[in-house]
Amino acid sequence: SAVISQKPSRDICQRGTSLTIQCQVDSQVTMMFWYRQQPGQSLTLIATANQGSEATYESGFVIDKFPISRPNLTFSTLTVSNMSPEDSSIYLCSVTRGSNEQYFGPGTRLTVT
Amino acid sequence: GQQLNQSPQSMFIQEGEDVSMNCTSSSIFNTWLWYKQDPGEGPVLLIALYKAGELTSNGRLTAQFGITRKDSFLNISASIPSDVGIYFCAGDRNSNYQLIWGAGTKLIIKP
Repeated sequence: SAVISQKPSRDICQRGTSLTIQCQVDSQVTMMFWYRQQPGQSLTLIATANQGSEATYESGFVIDKFPISRPNLTFSTLTVSNMSPEDSSIYLCSVTRGSNEQYFGPGTRLTVT
Repeated sequence: GQQLNQSPQSMFIQEGEDVSMNCTSSSIFNTWLWYKQDPGEGPVLLIALYKAGELTSNGRLTAQFGITRKDSFLNISASIPSDVGIYFCAGDRNSNYQLIWGAGTKLIIKP
């Protein structure tokens, strides 16, 4: 497994602003993913964070709204841009080490007012 | 949209009872994973299954990879209060590390 931390753990933001969420892993990992989980719902993959290149986004998610960085093998950021109340959700990062087993961070609970 | 049908959606059980939940799909999967999520936490991997017919245990939890590769089930024996939470199945179809998720089964233990 891996020890994964996320910052912030929660935030309340005003609409129109942006928030950057950090994901830090205790050791190098192959792949990092960003998910959104709306209250009472399952997980929806936003994008795969690729080290040294642009992230790969899933249908319905775009780079202008959710820019992602992954400068090295242990760290990634997700920015939620120009937020609206519909962006209120839990944002989760996960990692793998070359298998399908994904390990998750504790999540960032975002509320947009 | 989701391609995994997870049932039941929720379960109310007595402490000590056995629990069973499953995921089905019309598509073949290469990997099945079972996760548990507690409130305010990220999902925690419970069991990973890689071969059709595989039966794997983790303490009181047992999961099986269906022989048709289109389903999986999770059993919890002799449930205890800390088993409360939401259980998710997830599967990989294309060996590309991207998982498809079930909607979750919420386990509630009656007082």
